[in-house]
Amino acid sequence: AQKVTQAQTEISVVEKEDVTLDCVYETRDTTYYLFWYKQPPSGELVFLIRRNSFDEQNEISGRYSWNFQKSTSSFNFTITASQVVDSAVYFCALTGMDSSYKLIFGSGTRLLVRP
Amino acid sequence: DGGITQSPKYLFRKEGQNVTLSCEQNLNHDAMYWYRQDPGQGLRLIYYSQIVNDFQKGDIAEGYSVSREKKESFPLTVTSAQKNPTAFYLCASNVAQGSAGELFFGEGSRLTVL
Repeated sequence: AQKVTQAQTEISVVEKEDVTLDCVYETRDTTYYLFWYKQPPSGELVFLIRRNSFDEQNEISGRYSWNFQKSTSSFNFTITASQVVDSAVYFCALTGMDSSYKLIFGSGTRLLVRP
Repeated sequence: DGGITQSPKYLFRKEGQNVTLSCEQNLNHDAMYWYRQDPGQGLRLIYYSQIVNDFQKGDIAEGYSVSREKKESFPLTVTSAQKNPTAFYLCASNVAQGSAGELFFGEGSRLTVL
């Protein structure tokens, strides 16, 4: 069965620090998709990135970067030079045939960026 | 603007009462989903629908019911049979179930049972 583990329940950093959110997944699929979502205080989940299992290139989008490593079944998310507006709960998620393409979420990491 | 609208944002219910949460989307998506979020936990799937007049149970369907009479609407009823209904409920949609595309979410409805 598919599973997503976000071991960090809560992280607190000071503004401008870099921070990495960890995500480890389990799946029997060879083709699968990984996601990161941001949940600000308003409650709505905001899509950040989707990655398929055949694309291991790291991705950078502004201050955000993602490190996908199949060898360790990890899909970690780094925020460079964090800002107060980055404070939110971040969810890693996984989908594939193993879950009938339903999205399986991790328990989330709450990030607090202090001024 | 295209998106998902959930209402009400906050809802209080007495024990033993049924309550219905509304979810409307104008994205022309076939698939719609209801998730429950509890503090410190990830999102758990309650029900999903791949197409009009069809829906399937998710991981925690007991005590809930849904309908999908129109493509744009997927209301969730929390019945009195749900043992612990106080939670944050999120509705989402996707182009199609199985597309592996991103889910679009509403802003959620927070239900409190008094």
